[in-house]
Amino acid sequence: GAVVSQHPSWVICKSGTSVKIECRSLDFQATTMFWYRQFPKQSLMLMATSNEGSKATYEQGVEKDKFLINHASLTLSTLTVTSAHPEDSSFYICSALQREGVGDTQYFGPGTRLTVL
Amino acid sequence: AQSVTQLDSHVSVSEGTPVLLRCNYSSSYSPSLFWYVQHPNKGLQLLLKYTSAATLVKGINGFEAEFKKSETSFHLTKPSAHMSDAAEYFCVVSDWPGGFKTIFGAGTRLFVKA
Repeated sequence: GAVVSQHPSWVICKSGTSVKIECRSLDFQATTMFWYRQFPKQSLMLMATSNEGSKATYEQGVEKDKFLINHASLTLSTLTVTSAHPEDSSFYICSALQREGVGDTQYFGPGTRLTVL
Repeated sequence: AQSVTQLDSHVSVSEGTPVLLRCNYSSSYSPSLFWYVQHPNKGLQLLLKYTSAATLVKGINGFEAEFKKSETSFHLTKPSAHMSDAAEYFCVVSDWPGGFKTIFGAGTRLFVKA
């Protein structure tokens, strides 16, 4: 099956610093990737849709200037949490959309645990 | 409008007994339906998907699901639970009304007792 990786798997940073998370589709090209946030014992919350070569589309309530998304190639999207604060601590998961003709499918990365001190 | 309802937040079964995780959906279009599994602190792994082909879909690890349009259901089943099946399961609906859109269910936590 299709494989999506994320790096790092976990990160601890100080308040006020920026953190970059990478999402890569390893064996397919993805023009569309998604970034999710997951709080403990909850479902995934879509933050933004990342489109290769164009600006990301953010969901309502998600700050564009705080969560910077870049999708510079067909296999890589990055999420940068700028000026991180403790409330940004969460589990961030990306997915990549594989076009399969009938039934496009999202394949998910393993997630990144962000802890802001 | 799309919606997904997972009818049980928790399901507990004994090892070796059948598993049933229930999912109902609504969509104005012809959706694709998915089940994903998430183990603690991990990403989501695709179990199976329905894309308007056969209504009975077989997935990995012995799981299968049946698409029933008349009941707008897509329940996940497995004949015999294994301890390693203990995890969170998400039912997901996707379609393309003007752009790819995905709706996640709230999730069902499966507990497997020895």
